[in-house]
Amino acid sequence: QVQLVQSGAEVKKPGASVKVSCKASGYTFTSYVIYWVRQAPGQRLEWMGWINAGNGNTEFSQKFQGRVTITRDTSASAAYMELSSLRSEDTAVYYCTRGSGATRHALDIWGQGTMVTVSS
Amino acid sequence: QSVLTQPPSVSGAPGQRVTISCTGSSSNIGAGYDVHWYQQLPGTAPKVLIYGNSIRPSGVPDRFSGSKSGTSASLAISGLQAEDEADYYCQSYDSSLSGYVFGSGTKVTVL
Repeated sequence: QVQLVQSGAEVKKPGASVKVSCKASGYTFTSYVIYWVRQAPGQRLEWMGWINAGNGNTEFSQKFQGRVTITRDTSASAAYMELSSLRSEDTAVYYCTRGSGATRHALDIWGQGTMVTVSS
Repeated sequence: QSVLTQPPSVSGAPGQRVTISCTGSSSNIGAGYDVHWYQQLPGTAPKVLIYGNSIRPSGVPDRFSGSKSGTSASLAISGLQAEDEADYYCQSYDSSLSGYVFGSGTKVTVL
């Protein structure tokens, strides 16, 4: 079935970087856009950026510009999100999710989420 | 500040109809960008309920409906059921931020 499977939970110290992976299966990876969305404890969902899995184009939220990198490996049908210069406010669940023109870019498939804890 | 504003909570008895509003501005909903709605059960990833303002994906019960007018959108749940207890989020695109935005979220409680 169509699914996105993310890497496991991470604990990082302030100032470090974290890289979360998202492996797609059950569909043509390069036909969709992969979005990254995070949710701090008790907070709303927050869009971080996206990558067009076909051509590799990316776009990022102004809030994360310069701190986030999103890449993909088409041979592995996987996308990656790296966030640098971590601070305590970055403690959140990070989701990868899929969108396409067919659903007018609604996010129709979500990964299970990766908890990232930033603590000294 | 909240780009898309939702009521923090709504509640209703089983079988009743509840509505959740999503108030935006001329740079997002009012600019004609699509509104999508998601349901998030406790401890799980969100699930799309409505996309393109009013379209239900296959498998979503027809108890859920969406609409949009001006700078606002609404999600209605009719025939409220216990399993509808969840957080609900609206989402759109904002041209002034050049990015996607989510609503503040609404917790639905079934009395």
